[in-house]
Amino acid sequence: DTAVSQTPKYLVTQMGNDKSIKCEQNLGHDTMYWYKQDSKKFLKIMFSYNNKELIINETVPNRFSPKSPDKAHLNLHINSLELGDSAVYFCASSPVGSYEQYFGPGTRLTVT
Amino acid sequence: AQSVTQLGSHVSVSEGALVLLRCNYSSSVPPYLFWYVQYPNQGLQLLLKYTSAATLVKGINGFEAEFKKSETSFHLTKPSAHMSDAAEYFCAVSTMDTGRRALTFGSGTRLQVQP
Repeated sequence: DTAVSQTPKYLVTQMGNDKSIKCEQNLGHDTMYWYKQDSKKFLKIMFSYNNKELIINETVPNRFSPKSPDKAHLNLHINSLELGDSAVYFCASSPVGSYEQYFGPGTRLTVT
Repeated sequence: AQSVTQLGSHVSVSEGALVLLRCNYSSSVPPYLFWYVQYPNQGLQLLLKYTSAATLVKGINGFEAEFKKSETSFHLTKPSAHMSDAAEYFCAVSTMDTGRRALTFGSGTRLQVQP
């Protein structure tokens, strides 16, 4: 009964490729997020969706595009991957009216 | 704007000793504060949260934190460290002023527990 799941867990790809990371939550939450954790473990918000509507779009290259087909899913598509995109990407969700967030296991992206 | 400062990127304690991880926040409006724990190669797990109710908050695994507005602090404590507590700990803040609900994280503190 996984709460927030992400696929794949590991992703190794070459520069210039396009890749997607999928996220699903079965908690009935209304808001979902993408965070990036860099090599120094620093976590930073990238995007937030509330009921399929984009709420937060931080200063992220437009090569990154989130897509939310429904309330339970938030996918992250990355075009023309660069070495600097290597990081761990976390999906999270939060309940209606709440500020606490529940995180997925992360996707470690390595760009070679 | 909101921010979080975690003092000490590494903290080492002996098993059975007190754990104290420091977190100070900056926020122009009342904050919501959180502590998360990250075990190696895993996601973040919510330890505890402060959402303007009781200032002393109890969480999972014997951890607790006290919200002190005058000191703008939300330090995490545990009376007796266990080997299984070794992990990375993150303090985070959110506010309702913009309705964003995104978390702003501190830089993390790695807790080592010596036998």
